[in-house]
Amino acid sequence: QVQLQQSGPGLVKPSETLSLTCAISGDSVSRNNAAWNWIRQSPSRGLEWLARTYYRSKWYNEYAVSVRSRITINLDTSKNQFSLQLYFLSPEDTALYYCVREDKARQQLDSWGQGTLVTVSS
Amino acid sequence: DIQMTQSPSSLSASVGDRVAITCRASQSISTYLNWFQQKPGKAPKLLIYAASSSQSGVPSRFSGSGSGTDFTLTISSLQFEDFATYYCQQSYGIPWTFGQGTKVEIK
Repeated sequence: QVQLQQSGPGLVKPSETLSLTCAISGDSVSRNNAAWNWIRQSPSRGLEWLARTYYRSKWYNEYAVSVRSRITINLDTSKNQFSLQLYFLSPEDTALYYCVREDKARQQLDSWGQGTLVTVSS
Repeated sequence: DIQMTQSPSSLSASVGDRVAITCRASQSISTYLNWFQQKPGKAPKLLIYAASSSQSGVPSRFSGSGSGTDFTLTISSLQFEDFATYYCQQSYGIPWTFGQGTKVEIK
């Protein structure tokens, strides 16, 4: 049974950087047929996919166009976790952020972290 | 990006009612369509994948149908624990996109 445990701050100042980490248990971040996503949810934008990473002989990262210039997804295979950095935050980035496992064979988002409510405010 | 449009945005129903929620894609997505249930304070939970396949452990009263651009989630006999918000999501291509949600409330 895979579990995703998120950690990171709940309050970030405008123009600063958000860093969130997702620790994986019950699966491997390097497993073929899995991908690791970040998705956020807000009343104004609904559920919005941000980024994903996966391994197929080499690592691939994909990003949403809306945040591509200010987002990075990183991996730590030794700790079996992945992380999100979102730069130059504005109040519009206030949202509930989720890390999500994707079963690539079935193309389904089947396991979600508990969510981290991030507020961007001074 | 593929736009996903759900209807209705909300509905009121009674325990035992049959409920149907529709989702329309802005282009054909074959059967690359998933349905999620979300309760307050919880992450979305996968109910249906590939338009009509039930995720393990999901009650049989939940079913999905459709292909191409038009899809339906049906709850055959609404139970108290089914009052929640439901989302469709296309897995045809990145970026994954979601419908705006349908809130199912108690009448």
